[in-house]
Amino acid sequence: EDQVTQSPEALRLQEGESSSLNCSYTVSGLRGLFWYRQDPGKGPEFLFTLYSAGEEKEKERLKATLTKKESFLHITAPKPEDSATYLCAYNTDKLIFGTGTRLQVFP
Amino acid sequence: NAGVMQNPRHLVRRRGQEARLRCSPMKGHSHVYWYRQLPEEGLKFMVYLQKENIIDESGMPKERFSAEFPKEGPSILRIQQVVRGDSAAYFCASSPGTSGAYNEQFFGPGTRLTVL
Repeated sequence: EDQVTQSPEALRLQEGESSSLNCSYTVSGLRGLFWYRQDPGKGPEFLFTLYSAGEEKEKERLKATLTKKESFLHITAPKPEDSATYLCAYNTDKLIFGTGTRLQVFP
Repeated sequence: NAGVMQNPRHLVRRRGQEARLRCSPMKGHSHVYWYRQLPEEGLKFMVYLQKENIIDESGMPKERFSAEFPKEGPSILRIQQVVRGDSAAYFCASSPGTSGAYNEQFFGPGTRLTVL
C-alpha cells in the first residue's frame, strides 16, 4: 500500500535555529513530490514540486531536496512567521499526503 | 488571476440533511480533485474529475457521497443524509493537466462542514 510518513510530528525552534523536516515514502508510480504549507483554518499553500532524485528547489528560507526514498525540507534561520504545518505529498495522479509536521518558531 | 474558490466556507447541517459543496477551479484548469481532512488527521483523496467525467473515485465512500463537474459551472460534492462522522474540512484542488508541472495542484480555502 502506498504510504507517506513525515517526521517529526511537531518541531519547536528558536528564531534563527535551522532544522530539517523529513518525508519518506513507499509509493509506486511516483510522478512528483509536493510540499505544501498549511496555516490553521486555511487550505494548503503550494511550495515546491520535485520530480527526480538529486533535484533541489529553494524559496526564501526554505530548500527542498529529493532522494529515491525520501525528501527533506530544510529551514534556514526560521522566523516566527514560518510557523505552520508543513505537508508533503506524493503524486500518483492523486496526492497521497503525510500527516504533516507542525512547526512552531519562537522569537 | 483568481485562485480556487470554494463555497460555502462554513456549512452547518443536522443529521439526515444534505450538504452541497461547490468548487470553481482556477482559470485554465480542467482537472478537479476533492480531499477531506478529518480533525487531527491528514488530507485524504476522495475523487478526481475532469469536465463531465469522473476519472478516479477510489477515495469516495460507497454510499451517500457523489461528485460531479458539469460542462458549465462549478464542481459539486454532494453528501446525502449526513452523519456526525462527516464533520470535516473538505478541500478542492485544481490543476491544468496531469503531466509534469501541469499536474501541480492548487488548493482552495476549504469548506468546513459541521453536522449537529
